[in-house]
Amino acid sequence: EVQLAESGGGLVQPGRSLKLSCAASGFTFSDYYMAWVRQAPTKGLEWVASISYDGGSTYYRDSVKGRFTISRDNAKSSLYLQMDSLRSEDTATYYCTTDPGITMKDYWGQGVMVTVSS
Amino acid sequence: DIQLTQSPASLSASPDEIVTITCQASQDIGSSLLWYQQKPGKSPQLLIYSATILADGVPSRFSGSRSGTQYSLKISRLQVEDIGTYYCLQVSSSPYTFGAGTKLELK
Repeated sequence: EVQLAESGGGLVQPGRSLKLSCAASGFTFSDYYMAWVRQAPTKGLEWVASISYDGGSTYYRDSVKGRFTISRDNAKSSLYLQMDSLRSEDTATYYCTTDPGITMKDYWGQGVMVTVSS
Repeated sequence: DIQLTQSPASLSASPDEIVTITCQASQDIGSSLLWYQQKPGKSPQLLIYSATILADGVPSRFSGSRSGTQYSLKISRLQVEDIGTYYCLQVSSSPYTFGAGTKLELK
């Protein structure tokens, strides 16, 4: 059974950092580009970042470029999102997913909530 | 960035009705468009990829079409379990962009 399990969310003050993790199982993780997608409370979906099979290429939306870093560890079948200099507008549920632009295998985690507030 | 204008924002329909949702792209994206369904409190689920291809396990009452830069998702006979919010997504170029969503409710 395919599973993507996010962790690391929580309440954090503006300007601080948080690191999200996503543990994958049930499929060959290294065969897939991966991505983070977020959804602010009561809002729509927003693509955040993507990473290539070996981590050699990364892509970000402009609003997180320079603040967020996507990475992966294929030996651990894990995806990460290091979030620095957090802002209130980063408050959202963050989903780990297979990159929709590269693969039609549609795997999503259950999401992890990040709240940025003082 | 490529903009996707999705309409309507909300829709109320009865079981067995035909439902159509559209997405208008701000520029040519070819067939690089996907449709997702998201039920309340759940993760999104892929319905259609490459504008017209049904994803694995998706009921055949769902279909996608394209006319130029306008894309449509059609539910041929609405079922109760189809209630949720639908999103289009373009993956033609980075940044990927989603439509604003269509909330589908039962009449």
